[in-house]
Amino acid sequence: QVLLVQSAAEVKKPGASVKVSCKTSGYTFTTYGISWVRQAPGQGLEWMGWISPFNGNTKYAEKLQDRVTMTSDASTSTVYLEVRRLTSDDTAVYYCARGLAEFDPWGQGTLVTVSS
Amino acid sequence: DIQMTQSPSTLSASVGDRLNISCRASQSIGDWLAWYQQKAGKAPNLLIYKASILHSGVSSRFSGSGSGTEFTLTISSLQPDDFAIYYCQHYNNEWTFGQGTKVEIK
Repeated sequence: QVLLVQSAAEVKKPGASVKVSCKTSGYTFTTYGISWVRQAPGQGLEWMGWISPFNGNTKYAEKLQDRVTMTSDASTSTVYLEVRRLTSDDTAVYYCARGLAEFDPWGQGTLVTVSS
Repeated sequence: DIQMTQSPSTLSASVGDRLNISCRASQSIGDWLAWYQQKAGKAPNLLIYKASILHSGVSSRFSGSGSGTEFTLTISSLQPDDFAIYYCQHYNNEWTFGQGTKVEIK
C-alpha cells in the first residue's frame, strides 16, 4: 500500500520559514516524483512544484520559486518542502502527492498557519 | 500560462441525477487532464487521468471525455457519497487546477 505521511501542523510568525516533510512508503522511492499542492482556507488547489527523487531535479511555480525549496532524502524515503519569508497569504494546508503528471495518492495534509 | 475554467461553480442535484461538470482550457492541452474529488477536510482523490481513463478502484459511474480545450466529467447516477468538490487539473510542463465545482444536495 502506497502511503504518504506528512508532518504535523505548524504555527509560524510572518517572515519565518517552515519545513514540511512527506514520508513515503509502499513503493520504490526513486521511481516516482513528488508534487506539492497547497490550499488556502476555503479556496481551491494551487500547484507549488515537484521534485524527482531520482536525480533531484525540481520545478517550481513561477510565483513561488524565489521562496520555495524542495529536497529529498532517499535514506528515509522522505521529501521536504521549505517555504521562506512567510506571510499571512501562505496560511494553507500543504499537500504532497505522488506523481509528476496526475497525482496519486496524496498525503493527509499539513496545516501551516502564519500569524503574529 | 494556461488557465482552466470550470462550470458551474456550484451544482445542486439529487441522488440518482446524471451530472456533467465542464472544464475549459485557455489553449489546447491535448488530453493532459485529470479530475479529482475532494471531500471536506480531506485530501483530493484522483478519479480520471488522460482525460478519460478511470483510475483504479474508482466507480464506473464516473467518466471523463474531451480533448483540446473542452472536457467533461460525468457522474451517471449521483450517489450520497458523491457530494463533494470536483477539480480538473492540466498537467504537461504546466500544472494548473480549475477553481472547483461544488456538488451539493438539492
